[in-house]
Amino acid sequence: DADVTQTPRNRITKTGKRIMLECSQTKGHDRMYWYRQDPGLGLRLIYYSFDVKDINKGEISDGYSVSRQAQAKFSLSLESAIPNQTALYFCATSDLVSDETQYFGPGTRLLVL
Amino acid sequence: SQQGEEDPQALSIQEGENATMNCSYKTSINNLQWYRQNSGRGLVHLILIRSNEREKHSGRLRVTLDTSKKSSSLLITASRAADTASYFCATDDGNKLVFGAGTILRVKS
Repeated sequence: DADVTQTPRNRITKTGKRIMLECSQTKGHDRMYWYRQDPGLGLRLIYYSFDVKDINKGEISDGYSVSRQAQAKFSLSLESAIPNQTALYFCATSDLVSDETQYFGPGTRLLVL
Repeated sequence: SQQGEEDPQALSIQEGENATMNCSYKTSINNLQWYRQNSGRGLVHLILIRSNEREKHSGRLRVTLDTSKKSSSLLITASRAADTASYFCATDDGNKLVFGAGTILRVKS
């Protein structure tokens, strides 16, 4: 969905490096989410934010941090990347008031060597 | 946290056939959603069914929900090669969704 963009789309990094994944949306939604997808495990929620001043941990937040810079921007950071953080990362948005569905970005494929 | 579990894990059918995928979950829900994911891409919402609904249609999609059995099914009729994708159910857990591991559907032309 072009309304939700993620950068970078692909990234290779080394163990111990800090990396930031960025998400921007033009849907005007208050709620934003970061998920991680591993083969055979579906999507797991890392962090979510219901507005600029609200940050909540998800199922697998250890090793990650987030920043909600504005309504439209939600960044995910790996402070010190490790190989088992190699995965496909998705950002999503939703607006509970009008629609309970989530709208996903195209994903960032991260490889930690 | 609760999680939808899809069955089967993988399904291969011929174009024109119907595809049925099932989802089971553990605790009470307000709604259940189905999403599709084409290879390596973001998920796309297909349909939402509320806990007080038993069946819902959208084009070639038919979703049923049985809250007594805590299960849902997604039927894709007259499948096409373009339906080849992974399909996920997602249940609401408070203010967030919990996704199952998905069913991989392959439609052969």
